[in-house]
Amino acid sequence: AQTVTQSQPEMSVQEAETVTLSCTYDTSENNYYLFWYKQPPSRQMILVIRQEAYKQQNATENRFSVNFQKAAKSFSLKISDSQLGDTAMYFCAFMNRDDKIIFGKGTRLHILP
Amino acid sequence: DSGVTQTPKHLITATGQRVTLRCSPRSGDLSVYWYQQSLDQGLQFLIQYYNGEERAKGNILERFSAQQFPDLHSELNLSSLELGDSALYFCASSAEVVGSGADYGYTFGSGTRLTVV
Repeated sequence: AQTVTQSQPEMSVQEAETVTLSCTYDTSENNYYLFWYKQPPSRQMILVIRQEAYKQQNATENRFSVNFQKAAKSFSLKISDSQLGDTAMYFCAFMNRDDKIIFGKGTRLHILP
Repeated sequence: DSGVTQTPKHLITATGQRVTLRCSPRSGDLSVYWYQQSLDQGLQFLIQYYNGEERAKGNILERFSAQQFPDLHSELNLSSLELGDSALYFCASSAEVVGSGADYGYTFGSGTRLTVV
C-alpha cells in the first residue's frame, strides 16, 4: 500500500525567509502524481502545486517550487519569500492510477512577523 | 469559490442521531470523494463514487453510507452517531480519471463541520 510521510509536524520561520517542507512516499508504481495542499485556519483545502512522476522537471508556481527526487521517493516543497498568509497546515499527497489521493499527516507551518 | 458545494457548513447533533451531508461536484466532474478530518489530523479517505457507481472504499464505518445520484451530487449518511464522529467532512471532485490531462487532482469543497454532543 502506498504511504506518505511528513517528518516535520511543525515548523516556524521568519517572514521573507525560505522554508522547505519534507515529504517521502512509498509506492511500487511507476506512474503517479504528487501534490501539496495547503489548509489555512479557514480549513479550506487549497491545491498549491502538483507534479507528474514521469516529468523530470520540477514544478513551480510563483513562490512555490518542489524538489522531486523519484529514485529517492522524495517530494519536498520550497516556499520562497514566505508571507504571513502562508501560515497553514501543509499536506503532501500521492495519487496513482486508481485516482485515490492519500495524504500525509501534515506539517503545521508558522510564518512569524 | 472552488465550484464544489457542501451543505450544511455546520451541523450539531446528539449521539445516536442520523445526519446527511450533501455535496455538489464541480461542473463536469464525474468523481466524488469523501474524506474525514478529525481534530488536527490528516484526511482519511472514506469513499469514492464515479458517475453514480461506487469505485473505491476506504476506512468507512458500517454506520456510514454514501451514494451519488444521476445529477452527480452525492450524499454521505452518518447514523448512530458517536462523539468520536465529530470531525470535518470534506467532499472533493475531479474530472475524468488519471490521464485526462493537466486538470488532475481534486477540488475540495469547504467542508461540513459535524459536532456530536
